[in-house]
Amino acid sequence: EPEVTQTPSHQVTQMGQEVILRCVPISNHLYFYWYRQILGQKVEFLVSFYNNEISEKSEIFDDQFSVERPDGSNFTLKIRSTKLEDSAMYFCASSDRQGRAGELFFGEGSRLTVL
Amino acid sequence: AQSVTQLGSHVSVSEGALVLLRCNYSSSVPPYLFWYVQYPNQGLQLLLKYTTGATLVKGINGFEAEFKKSETSFHLTKPSAHMSDAAEYFCAVSEGFGNEKLTFGTGTRLTIIP
Repeated sequence: EPEVTQTPSHQVTQMGQEVILRCVPISNHLYFYWYRQILGQKVEFLVSFYNNEISEKSEIFDDQFSVERPDGSNFTLKIRSTKLEDSAMYFCASSDRQGRAGELFFGEGSRLTVL
Repeated sequence: AQSVTQLGSHVSVSEGALVLLRCNYSSSVPPYLFWYVQYPNQGLQLLLKYTTGATLVKGINGFEAEFKKSETSFHLTKPSAHMSDAAEYFCAVSEGFGNEKLTFGTGTRLTIIP
């Protein structure tokens, strides 16, 4: 079955550094999402993306965050200047409203550790 | 706005016993409801979902859940727990077709006692 893939699986960075997390959604999906899960806490919505623009974002998704679909396959999350509290597992997801409507398909996650 | 409440952050059951994980939701529109499982150091895997139709839905690994509109609940059950069921379970709600953004509960960690 097609799956969402994420890279890197784990990244360690220094506070203040820029980080880019990459995702390859399922090929025929058109809606893309980023969620994050701080250790021991619930999964939180960050942003949704459709037709090359953000369709919705949460309060967490401030000016330090950005998303991009630089080509036909990748979907990236950039954190401009990382903070300690950005340490979390970041999940990418995609969906197909014409197929299995209502269902998000999640990647395995990228664990970000900010020192 | 939608919300999900999962009662019990930790649940322990004996191997072979009934598993019951509780989930209540709040939604201003007919909800789509989901249960996801997360094994240690892994991503989120869909267990089952309710969108429309039959209110009792069956998922993978012998799990099932029943949508009860009058109780705004979507509890997850499994008749007989297996050691491999030990994981974190998340209930989630969305507005469904046209807005698949998920709102998650805080999760329930299921421990299986041998």
